[in-house]
Parts: sequence; C-alpha cells; structure tokens
Amino acid sequence: DTAVSQTPKYLVTQMGNDKSIKCEQNLGHDTMYWYKQDSKKFLKIMFSYNNKELIINETVPNRFSPKSPDKAHLNLHINSLELGDSAVYFCASSPTDYGYTFGSGTRLTVV
Amino acid sequence: QKEVEQDPGPLSVPEGAIVSLNCTYSNSAFQYFMWYRQYSRKGPELLMYTYSSGNKEDGRFTAQVDKSSKYISLFIRDSQPSDSATYLCAMKAGTASKLTFGTGTRLQVTL
Repeated sequence: DTAVSQTPKYLVTQMGNDKSIKCEQNLGHDTMYWYKQDSKKFLKIMFSYNNKELIINETVPNRFSPKSPDKAHLNLHINSLELGDSAVYFCASSPTDYGYTFGSGTRLTVV
Repeated sequence: QKEVEQDPGPLSVPEGAIVSLNCTYSNSAFQYFMWYRQYSRKGPELLMYTYSSGNKEDGRFTAQVDKSSKYISLFIRDSQPSDSATYLCAMKAGTASKLTFGTGTRLQVTL
C-alpha cells in the first residue's frame, strides 16, 4: 500500500508541450511538497502546500503551477516545456513536526 | 556558497567497515537535522531525525549533531553491500520550514 504515489513514473515529451504530474498521499499528512532533483542529485524545493494552501513558492518559472484539490493530493502542471526542465520531480508529504515521506519520482525528459 | 555542503564522493569501503558521512552548514537557525538514503531510481527515505545537538542511535546507524561547529555526521557500523546508496543530509529551521538538502554522498560497499 503505497504511502506517496506519483504518476506517471516516466514522461518523455517534446519542447513546448504542456504536461501534468499527479501525487497522492494516504498518510493523513497536512503538508505536501514538490522537489526537483537535477542530474547531480541536488534536491531543491519548488512548492509546499499545507491543507490545500500554498505556503512555500520558491523561485520557479510561472510555467510551473501546482494545484491541491484536497489535503491528500498535489498536482504539478508545466506549460511550454523546455529542455532545462528535464529532471526527476519528487512529491513528498510530512506531518508538522517530522521528516518527509517521498514518492518514487517522475523522470521527465524533454526532447 | 551553498547553505548545506556535502562531499559528493563516491566513497568506496569494504564490507564490515565503519562509514562516516558528514555535512556542514552555514545557517545557524537550523534546528532539525535528518539523514536520507536514496537508492538508484528511487525516492529518498528517511533514516534518522534529530532535534538540536547530540547523538541518536538506531541499530547500525548513529547520527551526531554539533551545532557549535555547524557540523553533522552519520556513522554506519558493520557496513553491508545493501548500504550502497546516496546519502543526503537535510535540515530545517522550524517545524513548518522548508527542508534544505545537501548534494548527497554516493557510498559503495564492496564485498
């Protein structure tokens, strides 16, 4: 029974396309996140939602738009994909005072 | 200068060795310190979670935090080939703050 699940696992798409990644957690956590991991394995936060409210919005291009329909879901929509968007995108969730539980990642390749 | 510095390795040790992994940081507001393990093509998983300074032990793993030196360590005793992974340190200032990661150290335990 997967705690944090992301779909799709792999996404290959052409430059200029629009794509979405979905995330769901069944842990009852209040907070959900999107992180981007580059080719050097560096994990950088993009967004954080607490109970459907945006609380962290790092310096991310406007082409990236998160949406949280409810506490258990956080989706990421990316418009006009660029080559530099190629990375692994991780969804995570956490209770208020503990570490994060990560999903298994979505490997995005823009060609 | 990055907020959290971590030697990327790779670090190669024989089975049974004691492994020492380290991170330094510059933000004195960090109070919560974590270590994550990430296997290839998987999401990071939480190994250790500590608050403020001191030691914490869990099986073969010991986490140390020295806030005066802004230095944290993870020790792995009796290392096994299954410990081969990338180890990421992470830290945050408050319970609701974002988690800032080091770049990760790749560890290889050989037979």
